[in-house]
Amino acid sequence: SQKIEQNSEALNIQEGKTATLTCNYTNYSPAYLQWYRQDPGRGPVFLLLIRENEKEKRKERLKVTFDTTLKQSLFHITASQPADSATYLCALPPDSNYQLIWGAGTKLIIKP
Amino acid sequence: EAGVVQSPRYKIIEKKQPVAFWCNPISGHNTLYWYLQNLGQGPELLIRYENEEAVDDSQLPKDRFSAERLKGVDSTLKIQPAELGDSAVYLCASSLDSSTDTQYFGPGTRLTVL
Repeated sequence: SQKIEQNSEALNIQEGKTATLTCNYTNYSPAYLQWYRQDPGRGPVFLLLIRENEKEKRKERLKVTFDTTLKQSLFHITASQPADSATYLCALPPDSNYQLIWGAGTKLIIKP
Repeated sequence: EAGVVQSPRYKIIEKKQPVAFWCNPISGHNTLYWYLQNLGQGPELLIRYENEEAVDDSQLPKDRFSAERLKGVDSTLKIQPAELGDSAVYLCASSLDSSTDTQYFGPGTRLTVL
């Protein structure tokens, strides 16, 4: 079955630098992949969706790439700020069903 | 626009007691999800509704968990009886566009079973 792997160790980044988070999946390439942000005590918040035929998607300081050969998506935050500190989750559909399976998330800490 | 509303935000009960969680999705969202999230893990789907029909409940422990979505709007998730291992955050989400399944989450209910 499809599995999602995100780095379980927290990522510490200096303010102003680019943070890069990784999402790897194990089996077939999904039709799309989503990234969410989750703050403590809150539910995940949708950030970006990238489809299998898109190599890159941008939204303000956020950029997502999707490499179906590597079975990997990268999530970049440029000019990072302490307010970007949160856990970032990737999610993708396991098959044709309209649901998502989720990675465990990577905790990002931006230091001033 | 109001987001997904959940209540209560926190619940502490003793094992073997019943507990219920309530969710009001975003207006116009026909798809509703209940998830369980353990600390340091991603959400795990318990049940998905399309309007009032439960279309995916394969991960719902039916011996103790039940859910309903009367009239295709609000939903209630119940556990009876609760076990120690049920301690987790229960998240409700809704979506409008089922083709991409972008989901909007409530704040969750943190359940502690003593």
